[in-house]
Amino acid sequence: GQQVMQIPQYQHVQEGEDFTTYCNSSTTLSNIQWYKQRPGGHPVFLIQLVKSGEVKKQKRLTFQFGEAKKNSSLHITATQTTDVGTYFCALSSNTGKLIFGQGTTLQVKP
Amino acid sequence: GAVVSQHPSWVICKSGTSVKIECRSLDFQATTMFWYRQFPKQSLMLMATSNEGSKATYEQGVEKDKFLINHASLTLSTLTVTSAHPEDSSFYICSATRTVLNEKLFFGSGTQLSVL
Repeated sequence: GQQVMQIPQYQHVQEGEDFTTYCNSSTTLSNIQWYKQRPGGHPVFLIQLVKSGEVKKQKRLTFQFGEAKKNSSLHITATQTTDVGTYFCALSSNTGKLIFGQGTTLQVKP
Repeated sequence: GAVVSQHPSWVICKSGTSVKIECRSLDFQATTMFWYRQFPKQSLMLMATSNEGSKATYEQGVEKDKFLINHASLTLSTLTVTSAHPEDSSFYICSATRTVLNEKLFFGSGTQLSVL
């Protein structure tokens, strides 16, 4: 079945530093979604990317979808302690179910 | 945004007992609900897809007789962990979508199950 690889698994940064997580698929994706899960919480939808080469911004977060629609990235500029959590990419299959990447856990040192 | 309510938030039970977890979409009709399982520091693993009025579709390796799913209405799906054992201890999360394809998911708050 479809799979998506997400790296890195963990990232520790100093507050103010940037952070990036990457997702890669061996097959072309129809779309990709990003979620954030705070420690002890449940995943919360951040964004969905659909178009080849698409770039979307949400304040300090920048989401990109590759030209070949096989990879995606989430970049956070100038991290803050509120950014702590695990970020998941997820791809939707043609049956509607969502397959999650392994997640990248971000720790931010104040 | 849409709200999905999941109960209970946590449950501790003895080995051999059954536990029922409820997932409700509060302000929309969920055509499809998904049940995920998450072990500590791991990703969400899809267990089954639940469609109202039909049998659930289970992922490979998930025992349908062990994890009973019922989707009796467009706003309620239940997961029953039958004859629970310590290895069933995990975080179970439901999610719902308003349409079938490519819709973002709204997640419940999750249920932490601990089997003694």
